[in-house]
Amino acid sequence: SQKIEQNSEALNIQEGKTATLTCNYTNYSPAYLQWYRQDPGRGPVFLLLIRENEKEKRKERLKVTFDTTLKQSLFHITASQPADSATYLCALYGQNFVFGPGTRLSVLP
Amino acid sequence: KAGVTQTPRYLIKTRGQQVTLSCSPISGHRSVSWYQQTPGQGLQFLFEYFSETQRNKGNFPGRFSGRQFSNSRSEMNVSTLELGDSALYLCASSGGGASSYNSPLHFGNGTRLTVT
Repeated sequence: SQKIEQNSEALNIQEGKTATLTCNYTNYSPAYLQWYRQDPGRGPVFLLLIRENEKEKRKERLKVTFDTTLKQSLFHITASQPADSATYLCALYGQNFVFGPGTRLSVLP
Repeated sequence: KAGVTQTPRYLIKTRGQQVTLSCSPISGHRSVSWYQQTPGQGLQFLFEYFSETQRNKGNFPGRFSGRQFSNSRSEMNVSTLELGDSALYLCASSGGGASSYNSPLHFGNGTRLTVT
């Protein structure tokens, strides 16, 4: 069956370090993969979209990679700040959007 | 540009009742989709509407239904509420046309439904 997994439920890192979040999927062949940020009590906010023929995409301190052979996407936040603390969700489109369970990132000052 | 607006923000209902949630998409967006979010199941797709037609439906019972109006506003209805329907219901709009997969979703802040 189709499945999306994100590496861990929670991740704690020190301010200034790089946070790396993982999204793995099985039984999908997505042409696109998206990443969202969700703060408590609010809806997810779109961050980045990467296409299957793009190895890497950057936006300010964010970087996403997409390896269709490994069926994996990595999401990096460089020079992390406490304001980056949130839950991060990856999403694929099969017949509709399917979201991973999310990783709750805490950046400690 | 105004974002996606969902009303009401909070709702408390009793088992067996029905409820209607409302969503106003970003102006110009014709695709509206609905999601249920719970701590145990995460974000799950309910259905998507495009130009007043249901384009896609998730794996939820028939008690969950929706519709879209000509101005792209959408409503979701849940009949015969069960305790397990307690969740955050999120609406998202997209500017994608015939295909949604390459367009970002713009979410509202949801309606928190509590069934007692």
